[in-house]
Amino acid sequence: GQNIDQPTEMTATEGAIVQINCTYQTSGFNGLFWYQQHAGEAPTFLSYNVLDGLEEKGRFSSFLSRSKGYSYLLLKELQMKDSASYLCAVKNSNYQLIWGAGTKLIIKP
Amino acid sequence: GAVVSQHPSWVICKSGTSVKIECRSLDFQATTMFWYRQFPKQSLMLMATSNEGSKATYEQGVEKDKFLINHASLTLSTLTVTSAHPEDSSFYICSATPGQESSEQFFGPGTRLTVL
Repeated sequence: GQNIDQPTEMTATEGAIVQINCTYQTSGFNGLFWYQQHAGEAPTFLSYNVLDGLEEKGRFSSFLSRSKGYSYLLLKELQMKDSASYLCAVKNSNYQLIWGAGTKLIIKP
Repeated sequence: GAVVSQHPSWVICKSGTSVKIECRSLDFQATTMFWYRQFPKQSLMLMATSNEGSKATYEQGVEKDKFLINHASLTLSTLTVTSAHPEDSSFYICSATPGQESSEQFFGPGTRLTVL
């Protein structure tokens, strides 16, 4: 089967750094996505990795290791508005997006 | 960036009625559109994939006669929930992509359906 694993919930402090991990097993690989979703809203795109390595975009970075079936999303200088769910999704060989259950990130002052 | 709209943003209906939700790509042609459902505190669940001009492909466990999907043009897809019941109350989200191999899906803002 295909599955995406990520922690259910994480807590971090405002101004700190947090790393959200994602491991995957899919039938083929055509890229990995991270989305942010605030409660009651649709997901918004954060990052896309298709090659191994780190992609940096402002306070957010995403890392991919295809050989390990592993990715992480790194959030720096955390702000209260970063409190949200973070969804990891992998596009398989059929170009279907397989979604993780999401990680709820709670930011404390 | 690419914009996808959904209408209505929320709807309340009586049990047994049908509800139509529209999904439009405003500034690009969407070869493929996806319909998701999300229950509270759960992740997105893909319901179906629709390609313009052809029948939608439904995920296992999704009743195609209950959730009618029409993708009549490259900018519009509709989801009709027929004979809605309270258990159909959920957050319905569409997404669109310019091409099957496109790197990103663009999401609509979602439609919250409440069936009384």
